[in-house]
Amino acid sequence: GAGVSQSPSNKVTEKGKDVELRCDPISGHTALYWYRQSLGQGLEFLIYFQGNSAPDKSGLPSDRFSAERTGGSVSTLTIQRTQQEDSAVYLCASSLDVGMETQYFGPGTRLLVL
Amino acid sequence: KQEVTQIPAALSVPEGENLVLNCSFTDSAIYNLQWFRQDPGKGLTSLLLIQSSQREQTSGRLNASLDKSSGRSTLYIAASQPGDSATYLCAVRGGNKLVFGAGTILRVKS
Repeated sequence: GAGVSQSPSNKVTEKGKDVELRCDPISGHTALYWYRQSLGQGLEFLIYFQGNSAPDKSGLPSDRFSAERTGGSVSTLTIQRTQQEDSAVYLCASSLDVGMETQYFGPGTRLLVL
Repeated sequence: KQEVTQIPAALSVPEGENLVLNCSFTDSAIYNLQWFRQDPGKGLTSLLLIQSSQREQTSGRLNASLDKSSGRSTLYIAASQPGDSATYLCAVRGGNKLVFGAGTILRVKS
């Protein structure tokens, strides 16, 4: 594809509900990354995939967060029982391979938990 | 734990001025350093990537330098334009993830 796409672009949900965020990486990119950008804070790493495997889940804030990737392409980040502190912009990036490659970012999903 | 600091936090300059944004990191064991631009409500756009073995990279009016041993990088923007107004983020790669600074908010006044 032309670039990394994410959906939805905006999501408003009520505290306690589950949400799913989707990322479509650039075609042919084997590495996929999720980051979170909270208001007034920098970008923080959440998780990355090499193919369908997630070797490093160290950045996931709690066990309410999970992610999967199927077919080496689309990835879904799921947040269960959302809390107000989960409100942030969730950014996805992909790169040709894990290593020294440039990461290309999607436009993000803006999540607001009321 | 790697920490990335960007100075200044915000900068306002008149159009045409040359400017320097600073980035420092605590762990010099990095693979590369990347400068990004983020426009309001948008994702990140990669500007320059410097591998750990390199000293600098140039693209148009942008020049980024890297001094790995001292843990510093600078982004030089020549002849600034109002369209350069954005948040500039520095990120270092150690392992398989990027560690970002908090960014510098740049405003170029016409």
